[in-house]
Amino acid sequence: TAGITQAPTSQILAAGRSMTLRCTQDMRHNAMYWYRQDLGLGLRLIHYSNTAGTTGKGEVPDGYSVSRANTDDFPLTLASAVPSQTSVYFCASSPGTGVYGYTFGSGTRLTVV
Amino acid sequence: GENVEQHPSTLSVQEGDSAVIKCTYSDSASNYFPWYKQELGKGPQLIIDIRSNVGEKKDQRIAVTLNKTAKHFSLHITETQPEDSAVYFCAASRGTGNQFYFGTGTSLTVIP
Repeated sequence: TAGITQAPTSQILAAGRSMTLRCTQDMRHNAMYWYRQDLGLGLRLIHYSNTAGTTGKGEVPDGYSVSRANTDDFPLTLASAVPSQTSVYFCASSPGTGVYGYTFGSGTRLTVV
Repeated sequence: GENVEQHPSTLSVQEGDSAVIKCTYSDSASNYFPWYKQELGKGPQLIIDIRSNVGEKKDQRIAVTLNKTAKHFSLHITETQPEDSAVYFCAASRGTGNQFYFGTGTSLTVIP
């Protein structure tokens, strides 16, 4: 089934450690996104990529970095995790920017202790 | 920036009744309004969307209405079924760029 694959499904991470959340799509979508979902705050954009080779900052980018070496993959890296980064992380994609709905992955539940 | 408010935060209805979720937005330049359904342990799934040049859109038991003057849009689910139980999110964007602004979600429970 076409869609977005995220890994891992869940992770417990010690504060100060680094981690990369993986995201792969097979729909040949140009645009990809990382959101975090926190109770009472909804979904907030961390970083985005309009097309392979380009990235941009969203609403809450601090402490996160991304890369887009090719169309399919969009990893999210936490260089030095802090407890406030405990959240559920969703990767999403869309055919392009603008009036397109997103396809979301199933999420990664990250707990920083 | 845009501010999207969503109400109610929780909603319980009897099976077969209708459910209505309302969102307001602040940016008059917003022109694309999708709705997502999120089931437990899954990512949000796009269920319906509306563009600003349309006042209403229907897809079987689901409809969305848009009032640009009042800056609000609503999701209507008729003849609710237990499988409609989920968290529903509204969102708004200008239709350009990358910024979607999401509401905080409505947890809908359909009681059999």
